[in-house]
Amino acid sequence: QSVLTQPPSVSGAPGQRVTISCTGSRSNLGAGYGVHWYQQFIGGAPRLLIYDSYTRPSDVPDRFSGSKSGTSASLVIKGLQAEDEATYYCQSYDSSLSAWVFGGGTMLTVL
Amino acid sequence: QITLQESGPALVKPKETLTLTCTFSGLSFDNNAEGLAWIRQPPGKALDWLALIYWDGDKHYSPSLKNRLSISRDTSRNQVVLTMRNMDPVDSATYFCARVQGSAGFDLWGPGTPVSVSS
Repeated sequence: QSVLTQPPSVSGAPGQRVTISCTGSRSNLGAGYGVHWYQQFIGGAPRLLIYDSYTRPSDVPDRFSGSKSGTSASLVIKGLQAEDEATYYCQSYDSSLSAWVFGGGTMLTVL
Repeated sequence: QITLQESGPALVKPKETLTLTCTFSGLSFDNNAEGLAWIRQPPGKALDWLALIYWDGDKHYSPSLKNRLSISRDTSRNQVVLTMRNMDPVDSATYFCARVQGSAGFDLWGPGTPVSVSS
């Protein structure tokens, strides 16, 4: 069981907007630690999409955005494209565990 | 250009010690908030952080695995080495090294190296 909770799967049609949630607790997201989001295609390495909850690396399209409030965070993908079909992970730091922690991952299907 | 590349045995036997090497290029060592981490992923499962070493030598380990892990760096050879003792079939996974930079998460990843534990 992951410290950060994500829905196992989400789906959307091309052009639509999807939201992936990440729920933590007072010792990670609620303690003020940032959340980071990664995209992973089958057989590949993860790629950083959003860091420190809101910031997008320069090579990531602005269709991807992140937000955080209290013990929860969200990744929003606008204008869904077939190439977005992948698994998405949230990640943060947990002060009770003194560990970097990941969510269980959310598989995005583009219908 | 920064590159990370993991290397190590593809197959180890139960109870053996696994040694993995992350060889990197293009990184500088003048930022103590920067370092390298090891993260693994069993087939079909989620990412699992194992260990992290900052350039100033500060080390951190997963609490559930800290008794089995050791991480070290050799800046002269541009390498970070992870050893994991007493390997078990449940440790079969793809092992990644990744750069951590302050509060920016794991911003760069190697392609990963698969490790199978079997007799």
